Amino acid sequence: EAQVTQNPRYLITVTGKKLTVTCSQNMNHEYMSWYRQDPGLGLRQIYYSMNVEVTDKGDVPEGYKVSRKEKRNFPLILESPSPNQTSLYFCASRGRFSAGNTGELFFGEGSRLTVL
Amino acid sequence: AQSVAQPEDQVNVAEGNPLTVKCTYSVSGNPYLFWYVQYPNRGLQFLLKYITGDNLVKGSYGFEAEFNKSQTSFHLKKPSALVSDSALYFCAAGVGGFKTIFGAGTRLFVKA
Repeated sequence: EAQVTQNPRYLITVTGKKLTVTCSQNMNHEYMSWYRQDPGLGLRQIYYSMNVEVTDKGDVPEGYKVSRKEKRNFPLILESPSPNQTSLYFCASRGRFSAGNTGELFFGEGSRLTVL
Repeated sequence: AQSVAQPEDQVNVAEGNPLTVKCTYSVSGNPYLFWYVQYPNRGLQFLLKYITGDNLVKGSYGFEAEFNKSQTSFHLKKPSALVSDSALYFCAAGVGGFKTIFGAGTRLFVKA
């Protein structure tokens, strides 16, 4: 089954304790992205990756890091989490734009993070 | 700045009535336009898209959307709402070949 898998789904942590949210896709997609969802703000892009070893900042990258060492994995790292990073996080992927692929995103189920 | 606007935080409709969820966009060039739906405790699911061609596009679960270039709108519609359609709906625009801009979302309540 084609899917994007995120872990953990729920996490409560404390300020300053490093954490990683993993994301893996099994569709051989080139493009992967992280979003955070906050009430009234929709989805805001944190980082994205066009392919292995190619990453770039989205609209709200402060406080986050990513890496793309393998095509299927795109972990989100919070080196020193703060309460303003309490949010619902989504990983998404899609294939390269082509005649047969027009860019719809496939989303994971979300990771709800609370930073105390 | 490029943006997608969903002017209604919430839309209420009775089951069996038609529904419309509004979306307008402000992006350069010819955007790819999408609608996604989010059910409680789930990720977003793709509903439909407009790339080019016919201004009325049909998608999953009986939904359709009408692209209007002059009004820069891409409203989501369904002729007869179901209680199970109650969810959070996001309009989005694909720009620049790799970026997707999302609206803030509209919560749809369908009352039995």
